[in-house]
Amino acid sequence: LAKTTQPISMDSYEGQEVNITCSHNNIATNDYITWYQQFPSQGPRFIIQGYKTKVTNEVASLFIPADRKSSTLSLPRVSLSDTAVYYCLVPSTGGFKTIFGAGTRLFVKA
Amino acid sequence: GAGVSQSPSNKVTEKGKDVELRCDPISGHTALYWYRQSLGQGLEFLIYFQGNSAPDKSGLPSDRFSAERTGGSVSTLTIQRTQQEDSAVYLCASSLAETGAYTFGSGTRLTVV
Repeated sequence: LAKTTQPISMDSYEGQEVNITCSHNNIATNDYITWYQQFPSQGPRFIIQGYKTKVTNEVASLFIPADRKSSTLSLPRVSLSDTAVYYCLVPSTGGFKTIFGAGTRLFVKA
Repeated sequence: GAGVSQSPSNKVTEKGKDVELRCDPISGHTALYWYRQSLGQGLEFLIYFQGNSAPDKSGLPSDRFSAERTGGSVSTLTIQRTQQEDSAVYLCASSLAETGAYTFGSGTRLTVV
């Protein structure tokens, strides 16, 4: 099964917009794309889920191009408290059965 | 309940002992998952329960690991004859069917000494 691919780490500064892209070339027609956030010593927390185009909630936006082979999580105006690991999950790439992967470690600096 | 509850939050056990980890999912969530996470690593799938269907045990690393879910609600993960490599955080999640939108508990940190 193809994996989802994300950058291992990203650095940003407070107040900036952060975009994290995940590639999922083998996404199936019925698959949703889900993103999670994990702080140290806590379980992952659901952030956002989408199927196509754009989804926005109070925390983030999710952009999905027409071919759905990738998705971009956008965090507006990050703060120090957004420092965490971010995972994208697509069921057809193994979904819950696979290791989530290392995710993307976002470090927000003052 | 309001969230997924796991107990104990921390467990230190001696090598060779058996341990039981408990997960109380969100009421009404039919799907329940167990994962484990070693320090600095991603989440590793262990087992999945969906309603009254037979569980998917394909992620259990050895026959020392087992899990059950009683009455479609509370689940217990049992590790027999614990080994040091079993040391990890064990996370439980639940969801409404297979939506991909899981709610995780805070985990049980297991340390085998």
